[in-house]
Amino acid sequence: KQEVTQIPAALSVPEGENLVLNCSFTDSAIYNLQWFRQDPGKGLTSLLLIQSSQREQTSGRLNASLDKSSGRSTLYIAASQPGDSATYLCAVRPPGNTGKLIFGQGTTLQVKP
Amino acid sequence: GAVVSQHPSWVICKSGTSVKIECRSLDFQATTMFWYRQFPKQSLMLMATSNEGSKATYEQGVEKDKFLINHASLTLSTLTVTSAHPEDSSFYICSARDTGGPYGYTFGSGTRLTVV
Repeated sequence: KQEVTQIPAALSVPEGENLVLNCSFTDSAIYNLQWFRQDPGKGLTSLLLIQSSQREQTSGRLNASLDKSSGRSTLYIAASQPGDSATYLCAVRPPGNTGKLIFGQGTTLQVKP
Repeated sequence: GAVVSQHPSWVICKSGTSVKIECRSLDFQATTMFWYRQFPKQSLMLMATSNEGSKATYEQGVEKDKFLINHASLTLSTLTVTSAHPEDSSFYICSARDTGGPYGYTFGSGTRLTVV
């Protein structure tokens, strides 16, 4: 059974710092992995999608890497800003045609001005 | 990009009543939509997969008679919480995938259900 774990559960950093969020999964057989952002009481916003054949994806100050063999992904946020404060969720899509996602518990990030 | 609209954003209902939540794909067709539930400070747990024109597939432990799902068109899925109880209070989120786009799964804005 696929399980997704995110460490740390919470993180507080001063503005301007570069930071790394970690995501690990127990079964390396995945179709893809996706990082989301969730603001309090809101839905999810997709940040980056990495296919199983890819190693990393970049969007602006965000970079996500994927090491399928070790069951790990990282989300790197450069030059953090207070507006980055949110909960970040990673989710894996298992192979097959079910289409469902398995989520980690999330990392709640606070960037202090 | 692909947009999923969810309505209502919040609802308060009395115990024993039913509540319907709508999920619409605005600019794409979705033969499959997904319903998730999120308890405070916890992650999303898939409840069921909604299939257009056929029965929904429920995850283990989810009561299909309590959480009725209807996916009557390629752009609309509804989740009805029947005979709601306080323990059903939660954040419900739907998602869909635009198979023609690069965005993976797009999520609705969620519905905060409070049963009093």
